[in-house]
Amino acid sequence: QKEVEQDPGPLSVPEGAIVSLNCTYSNSAFQYFMWYRQYSRKGPELLMYTYSSGNKEDGRFTAQVDKSSKYISLFIRDSQPSDSATYLCAMSSGAGSYQLTFGKGTKLSVIP
Amino acid sequence: DTAVSQTPKYLVTQMGNDKSIKCEQNLGHDTMYWYKQDSKKFLKIMFSYNNKELIINETVPNRFSPKSPDKAHLNLHINSLELGDSAVYFCASSQGNFYTDTQYFGPGTRLTVL
Repeated sequence: QKEVEQDPGPLSVPEGAIVSLNCTYSNSAFQYFMWYRQYSRKGPELLMYTYSSGNKEDGRFTAQVDKSSKYISLFIRDSQPSDSATYLCAMSSGAGSYQLTFGKGTKLSVIP
Repeated sequence: DTAVSQTPKYLVTQMGNDKSIKCEQNLGHDTMYWYKQDSKKFLKIMFSYNNKELIINETVPNRFSPKSPDKAHLNLHINSLELGDSAVYFCASSQGNFYTDTQYFGPGTRLTVL
């Protein structure tokens, strides 16, 4: 089992829909959870950052972490065509480790 | 005022050649990274330097040699290029702070080995 599992999609939704993106992981040491957005032929860009369990909201984006289920989610409300990108989850144990473990990414298309 | 920059953006070369990719960050970060993103879009760390010292060295062929002349630069030299080295290589940097550990990525270098 890979350390981080993420459905690669592709996922197509109509403009204005609520999008739910998810990752599961197996390493219980992970404590830092991030979501990156990557446009085609560009570098990943940090969207959200969460420590341990709980919710975090930033504009139309909400990140949720459920450490008991080893499951994290990113919700996008009122999705826009400009949200069309690949979304990667990433995790770190911290504890002196500088290493991030990434999911494979989910490709999202928001159709006008 | 680009935060993390890489050169070149595209690199096309023949098998067996030696090539270098340069990375610079102007964020004042202590830690820099090299990642490889393969054709399946899977992003995997290769190396990390903190204050010019190697701290992460994943299972990467020793044809790949990182060099950090100073905190703001991390270059990647690849000897005897192989077809399987074709990928997008991303440089990234972070504060290196234990409690934040967020990384900022460069635009990537698309390497094609013919």
